[in-house]
Amino acid sequence: GESVGLHLPTLSVQEGDNSIINCAYSNSASDYFIWYKQESGKGPQFIIDIRSNMDKRQGQRVTVLLNKTVKHLSLQIAATQPGDSAVYFCAENMYSGGGADGLTFGKGTHLIIQP
Amino acid sequence: DAGITQSPRHKVTETGTPVTLRCHQTENHRYMYWYRQDPGHGLRLIHYSYGVKDTDKGEVSDGYSVSRSKTEDFLLTLESATSSQTSVYFCAISESLIGLGYTFGSGTRLTVV
Repeated sequence: GESVGLHLPTLSVQEGDNSIINCAYSNSASDYFIWYKQESGKGPQFIIDIRSNMDKRQGQRVTVLLNKTVKHLSLQIAATQPGDSAVYFCAENMYSGGGADGLTFGKGTHLIIQP
Repeated sequence: DAGITQSPRHKVTETGTPVTLRCHQTENHRYMYWYRQDPGHGLRLIHYSYGVKDTDKGEVSDGYSVSRSKTEDFLLTLESATSSQTSVYFCAISESLIGLGYTFGSGTRLTVV
């Protein structure tokens, strides 16, 4: 499979438990954030996004929390399942005044689900 | 991935040869991007396009060129492949400057021997 998981922080959780993955972003002017999931051998897949005028957004089994004061983003996955095993990374974009060069990506966290 | 396809999926090439990777979208998105992904580095932007014939360099553009002659296709060319360009290459598309609809292709694994 892909070697993108090497050298990454790893989070190991029991199946059924909740997972919390953290991300520190770099630019205080960033106003749009996305969480991606990348499974071995596949491209990154969109999970959930949040604008800077929000603190929290919920999706199906996932919640993203944004703390602009400390430039911190977290992804909570409820009732973790084996299919949640993947690398997760955050992305930010400085929309206001930003150029067309897209998102800035974090290095990622490798989530491992223990049976 | 729906709406965006990359070709080829895998390629092995020799050092010094030119290589072209193709990204094709059916979403009519204005913005297209080429990234490479390597262990320890995450996704790094090579080149991007903000319209037909409008392209610009990203963080790691040396040794790469791009072309966008029509909305749906964004080509990445390695002018003379080197072993340091062995990587997984991803194309992404976006419908807006902010990044809405930012979607990735399935990737091309390129090995330069």
